[in-house]
Amino acid sequence: AQSVTQPDIHITVSEGASLELRCNYSYGATPYLFWYVQSPGQGLQLLLKYFSGDTLVQGIKGFEAEFKRSQSSFNLRKPSVHWSDAAEYFCAVVLTSGTYKYIFGTGTRLKVLA
Amino acid sequence: DTGVSQDPRHKITKRGQNVTFRCDPISEHNRLYWYRQTLGQGPEFLTYFQNEAQLEKSRLLSDRFSAERPKGSFSTLEIQRTEQGDSAMYLCASSSGTYNEQFFGPGTRLTVL
Repeated sequence: AQSVTQPDIHITVSEGASLELRCNYSYGATPYLFWYVQSPGQGLQLLLKYFSGDTLVQGIKGFEAEFKRSQSSFNLRKPSVHWSDAAEYFCAVVLTSGTYKYIFGTGTRLKVLA
Repeated sequence: DTGVSQDPRHKITKRGQNVTFRCDPISEHNRLYWYRQTLGQGPEFLTYFQNEAQLEKSRLLSDRFSAERPKGSFSTLEIQRTEQGDSAMYLCASSSGTYNEQFFGPGTRLTVL
């Protein structure tokens, strides 16, 4: 069955430090992949997406992610974290047949220390 | 493009009552999705419409849940005889096109007392 794993439930970094959030997926075909951010009580905001082509994708707010087919991974990175980045981050894979529904990971909660 | 809107944003109800939520998708989007998100979890797929046709329902959607999308525009999600376990954020998303990038609404937070 298709699944998305975000192995880190919580991550704490200092402001200005680099960040990497891990995402692994299980899906037989080439997936479409997304990263979303959610602030408390808010909806989901799209950070970046991968459909095909260049495996390093740039997103908003200085985030980037790299698709590695051999590792079934789509890790999110940011070179220098800002206090406003504190939020919950979700990785999602889209099933590219049938309903095109999203399968989300369980999320990683990011805490930023001043 | 005004985005996906949901109404109400918050709903508090007593166990056993019925509730109905509304989602207005982006106007040109033919696909509409409902997801449920509980505390500490990622959103989980509930159901999917293409135009007015409901094409898939998750096993999470018990008989107490029903969704409609009359005329392929807005959608409603009704929960009958609510239970405390129904407390969650209910998210609506819409999409169209080849890559099906989904645009999410702000969600309706349901609290069942």
